[in-house]
Amino acid sequence: DAGVTQSPTHLIKTRGQHVTLRCSPISGHKSVSWYQQVLGQGPQFIFQYYEKEERGRGNFPDRFSARQFPNYSSELNVNALLLGDSALYLCASSFIHASYSNQPQHFGDGTRLSIL
Amino acid sequence: TQLLEQSPQFLSIQEGENLTVYCNSSSVFSSLQWYRQEPGEGPVLLVTVVTGGEVKKLKRLTFQFGDARKDSSLHITAAQTGDTGLYLCAGRPPDTGFQKLVFGTGTRLLVSP
Repeated sequence: DAGVTQSPTHLIKTRGQHVTLRCSPISGHKSVSWYQQVLGQGPQFIFQYYEKEERGRGNFPDRFSARQFPNYSSELNVNALLLGDSALYLCASSFIHASYSNQPQHFGDGTRLSIL
Repeated sequence: TQLLEQSPQFLSIQEGENLTVYCNSSSVFSSLQWYRQEPGEGPVLLVTVVTGGEVKKLKRLTFQFGDARKDSSLHITAAQTGDTGLYLCAGRPPDTGFQKLVFGTGTRLLVSP
């Protein structure tokens, strides 16, 4: 079975542009979460989506938005890109949403975004 | 704000040595996960610990969750070059109502032959 797949793998943008990153979860997984990993740091939580609704949001500005489609795939959008947005963007999927569940999250290999 | 601090940040050892990585917080977590991440790849889950005081073993890796569920450790016995990578602990805050992992700062391990 395919794991979490993300596209593109690498992307170069300039300041002020916008970007759309895509994620396909593991088959059967309905929850998708997005994380930002700046070089040398651990990932930081951005969003969680379950059944096409936003269920949680981290401490990121409104320039960051996301959505989940009926097939449970997801897009992360970032507007007005800043140099500090350069990072590895990771998508993770899990089987269920339940808030008290310790369902493991399975990560994709990420999209490396570089802002010039 | 819940933070997880890992120590050491960097560790360079010879094959066959033992090592311990620590993950500490002043906050309680409902569970704690350990991941290993290699360059160009996403984090891969190694283990989840849920109960305070829980110990789990995965071949040469031993994971422990603190009694108060605020800290954890990862011990590797007889390290091998294949253990090289970035080790991340990640905690699930209680009562958030959604799935969120708070990641530690990471420990970069280099095992030389």
